[in-house]
Amino acid sequence: AQTVTQSQPEMSVQEAETVTLSCTYDTSESDYYLFWYKQPPSRQMILVIRQEAYKQQNATENRFSVNFQKAAKSFSLKISDSQLGDAAMYFCAYRGLRGSSGDKLTFGTGTRLAVRP
Amino acid sequence: NAGVTQTPKFRVLKTGQSMTLLCAQDMNHEYMYWYRQDPGMGLRLIHYSVGEGTTAKGEVPDGYNVSRLKKQNFLLGLESAAPSQTSVYFCASSTPFYEQYFGPGTRLTVT
Repeated sequence: AQTVTQSQPEMSVQEAETVTLSCTYDTSESDYYLFWYKQPPSRQMILVIRQEAYKQQNATENRFSVNFQKAAKSFSLKISDSQLGDAAMYFCAYRGLRGSSGDKLTFGTGTRLAVRP
Repeated sequence: NAGVTQTPKFRVLKTGQSMTLLCAQDMNHEYMYWYRQDPGMGLRLIHYSVGEGTTAKGEVPDGYNVSRLKKQNFLLGLESAAPSQTSVYFCASSTPFYEQYFGPGTRLTVT
């Protein structure tokens, strides 16, 4: 079974600075997807970024980028030029491409990010 | 295009009461999911469905039942609510293999 580990329960960053959130996962599959979701105080789960395992290029969405290290099974999220609106809980998630692991997401336990003005 | 909607947004139940949470999606997604979110435990999958008329158990299915009679709707039932079921419940939908789209959540309190 796949597992996703977020070892940082809480992180803090100064506004306009850069912060990196860590995520590691365990899988025996070679093809899969990885995601970062943001959950602000409103509770709404918002997709931040997606990475396909077969792509060597790291995904980027504006100020958000990932460092995907397939061999190390590591998938970290970098937030550049942090803004007050980035304060939220961030979840890393894994989804396989076939069988039961392709039917659902496996989530980490989340990292709460605080942004200091 | 409303995406994923959940009804109700808040509910307070007494122990032993029953209720049904409704999830609806207008994106023609095959897959639908019910999660619960508790402090410090992230999201845990209760039940899910890969198509109309099919359901499967997730990580924490006990005390819950589901039905998927129509492709766009996924119902979560609590037959006899317990205080341990106090939580925030999220519904989500997706196409096969891709990201899930989440509803706004339902905060349920069982006293």
